[in-house]
Amino acid sequence: GEDVEQSLFLSVREGDSSVINCTYTDSSSTYLYWYKQEPGAGLQLLTYIFSNMDMKQDQRLTVLLNKKDKHLSLRIADTQTGDSAIYFCAESMNRDDKIIFGKGTRLHILP
Amino acid sequence: EPEVTQTPSHQVTQMGQEVILRCVPISNHLYFYWYRQILGQKVEFLVSFYNNEISEKSEIFDDQFSVERPDGSNFTLKIRSTKLEDSAMYFCASSEPLVTEQFFGPGTRLTVL
Repeated sequence: GEDVEQSLFLSVREGDSSVINCTYTDSSSTYLYWYKQEPGAGLQLLTYIFSNMDMKQDQRLTVLLNKKDKHLSLRIADTQTGDSAIYFCAESMNRDDKIIFGKGTRLHILP
Repeated sequence: EPEVTQTPSHQVTQMGQEVILRCVPISNHLYFYWYRQILGQKVEFLVSFYNNEISEKSEIFDDQFSVERPDGSNFTLKIRSTKLEDSAMYFCASSEPLVTEQFFGPGTRLTVL
């Protein structure tokens, strides 16, 4: 069945780059997402990538997709204290389909 | 900026009681969803709703669950007879046709005692 796996915790020093990794099992996934959840808030879409792309950059965010290995990563450059949150890797087959989420990676920023 | 809202933010109920979780999706959205997250586990899809009917549901969404769009603005999730294992954070989401992003509400934390 569909599954998305990611590590649960990551600690990074302020100003360094954060790299959050994820693997997924469903090769028919068309959309791959990164959602961010801050305390007390809902899930906010940070960025997404189509399965026919291998990289997408949006300001401090870089998404890399290795479709052969079913590996997705999110790099946050110049990590700030405001980046402290839980980051969810997710996938769906089509645009309006259900989204399958990972457990989330809690990003902790060290001073 | 428009947002999805959910009420209440926290609901405590006794096992066996009925609960209704309420959501107000973004006004021009046509696709509606419920997800839940049991503490420490993944966010799981429950049900999607389009054109006044369920378009997909997961195995979790059994006969104890139902959804309704009673008017033009609300989208509700009803659990008829709550069990301890229904304790979770329930997220509502909505999206426009042909737009990739599902917008999520802040969630309702349901505690079943």
